[in-house]
Amino acid sequence: EIVLTQSPGTLSLSPGERVTLSCRASQSVSSSYLAWYQQKPGQAPRLLIYGTSSRATAIPDRFSGSGSGTDFTLTISRLEPEDFAVYYCQHYGDSVMYTFGQGTKLEIK
Amino acid sequence: QVQLQESGPGLVKPSQTLSLTCTVSGGSITSGDYYWNWIRQPPGKGLEWIGYIYYSGTTYYNPSLKSRVTISVDTSKNQFSLKLSSVTAADTAVYYCAREDSSAFFFDYWGQGTLVTVSS
Repeated sequence: EIVLTQSPGTLSLSPGERVTLSCRASQSVSSSYLAWYQQKPGQAPRLLIYGTSSRATAIPDRFSGSGSGTDFTLTISRLEPEDFAVYYCQHYGDSVMYTFGQGTKLEIK
Repeated sequence: QVQLQESGPGLVKPSQTLSLTCTVSGGSITSGDYYWNWIRQPPGKGLEWIGYIYYSGTTYYNPSLKSRVTISVDTSKNQFSLKLSSVTAADTAVYYCAREDSSAFFFDYWGQGTLVTVSS
């Protein structure tokens, strides 16, 4: 089973800053199967990015994804107040198995 | 716009069976384009995929839960359901239902989630 490790666990930043979140896979994975979600307290996760770099419907262009092999990143070019949340990466693997990273919490500094 | 809504008991006793239903509106569950998933999240923790069902009844489960999980579909009601047997406190979580495009491998629509607590 592929394990996704996200880093850092928590980030304290200010609105307007640029941030890059990391998701590392325990072995090389297909970039077609890597997605990112945003989750705010008391809400369900919201799809942000799929296929490593494609933005989901209605996701602002300040969100971007990149990566390949074992290393993937989610970048927010300029943090808005509503972007402070927990972010999860997710992968679809062999034998029909979906795994999530443990999450990175983005908090206001 | 498709909407998903979970329903079921919020409290289950240890060793009993957890049962939840997801009602889909704004789209047909029999569309061949989607898989219908259950995902859970223990309080303060991360997300765990439980399994999915296709409208035909084909299912796939997380191997770590497979012995205790059953997902079924009722196309006449546009619903799918989750049963998790022999629950313990470790099964306390918010349970989400979610839609997945059958060619996409990610979850694009989610229910709001329902908290199920396992306690005597």
